Amino acid sequence: GNSVTQMEGPVTLSEEAFLTINCTYTATGYPSLFWYVQYPGEGLQLLLKATKADDKGSNKGFEATYRKETTSFHLEKGSVQVSDSAVYFCALHKNAGNMLTFGGGTRLMVKP
Amino acid sequence: DSGVTQTPKHLITATGQRVTLRCSPRSGDLSVYWYQQSLDQGLQFLIQYYNGEERAKGNILERFSAQQFPDLHSELNLSSLELGDSALYFCASSPRGGNTGELFFGEGSRLTVL
Repeated sequence: GNSVTQMEGPVTLSEEAFLTINCTYTATGYPSLFWYVQYPGEGLQLLLKATKADDKGSNKGFEATYRKETTSFHLEKGSVQVSDSAVYFCALHKNAGNMLTFGGGTRLMVKP
Repeated sequence: DSGVTQTPKHLITATGQRVTLRCSPRSGDLSVYWYQQSLDQGLQFLIQYYNGEERAKGNILERFSAQQFPDLHSELNLSSLELGDSALYFCASSPRGGNTGELFFGEGSRLTVL
């Protein structure tokens, strides 16, 4: 079946540091890949997505590239801010079943 | 604000009891999804409804049931509650059949079973 594996957190960084959160997936065919973010006390919200191999999703300074050869979709940001502190979820979607499969989530803590 | 409304935000109850969680999707969205978020299981898909009909079923226990009403709001019923059912329950919605994978989540209902 489909599955998503993320690096375990928490990840603690200082403001303006470089961020990488690793995500790998297992799926047949060509899924779409997503990063969702959950700020404290809120529901998940879509951060970025990529629908085919070599696509790069980007939003709010975050980027992730769909790498089919390594089945990965790592999230990166060049300079994190305190306001980026949240839990980040990698997810995949295939049309069959219409459901998202989420990774376990990675908590990011950014210190001033 | 995602436009998805969930009630109640917090609920504390005892083992063996039954509760109902309610979700109102974004205006115009036909699909509703229920997810359970717990510390040990992560975010687990429970069930999806599309325009009143069950579309997909995930790891939903037999003690749990859901439905989507003609006005498109949805309810998740949890019965014979156990301590392990304590979790954050999210509702999400998407337009049409949700084929894009882009979901809009509510803020969740936190259930505590004592």
